[in-house]
Amino acid sequence: AQSVAQPEDQVNVAEGNPLTVKCTYSVSGNPYLFWYVQYPNRGLQFLLKYITGDNLVKGSYGFEAEFNKSQTSFHLKKPSALVSDSALYFCAVIPAGNSGNTPLVFGKGTRLSVIA
Amino acid sequence: DGGITQSPKYLFRKEGQNVTLSCEQNLNHDAMYWYRQDPGQGLRLIYYSQIVNDFQKGDIAEGYSVSREKKESFPLTVTSAQKNPTAFYLCASSPERTNQPQHFGDGTRLSIL
Repeated sequence: AQSVAQPEDQVNVAEGNPLTVKCTYSVSGNPYLFWYVQYPNRGLQFLLKYITGDNLVKGSYGFEAEFNKSQTSFHLKKPSALVSDSALYFCAVIPAGNSGNTPLVFGKGTRLSVIA
Repeated sequence: DGGITQSPKYLFRKEGQNVTLSCEQNLNHDAMYWYRQDPGQGLRLIYYSQIVNDFQKGDIAEGYSVSREKKESFPLTVTSAQKNPTAFYLCASSPERTNQPQHFGDGTRLSIL
């Protein structure tokens, strides 16, 4: 069965500094990987995905993520953090080529706090 | 604009009462999902449906029921058998292809009176 680990419950970063939110996964075969962001009392918003191809994926709001197959990781990054990036971030995985609409498996989330 | 609408935004349940949470989508998506979110526990899957008139249990289905009579609608009933229903409930949908992201509604917060 697939699983996702987000090892940090909380990440604090100063505004203007680079940020990284970590994600490692376990899945049979190749993965499809996703990052979502959640603001208070809202649903999840899609940020970016890795399906195949380039290991560096660019997404919304200046975020990017690097797929590393050997380390089974998909860390979310941004070169310069904004206070408005403060939110809860979720990593999710599903086996590539999975038939049907098997649900995504989500990590427990990492709360990012960007300090002015 | 296409999207997912959850209602109500806030809901209160009395002891022994069943309550139903609404989820409607106009994205023409085949699959729909219900998640429960508790602080520090991420998202836990309650039920999902890949097609009309069919649905499968997720990880925490006990005390919940669903129906999928229309493609656009996937209501969730929290029954009196669910002893700890206080949580934030999220509905999502996705197209048929599994490499496409899920779209989420803005949730319903359920509390016990």
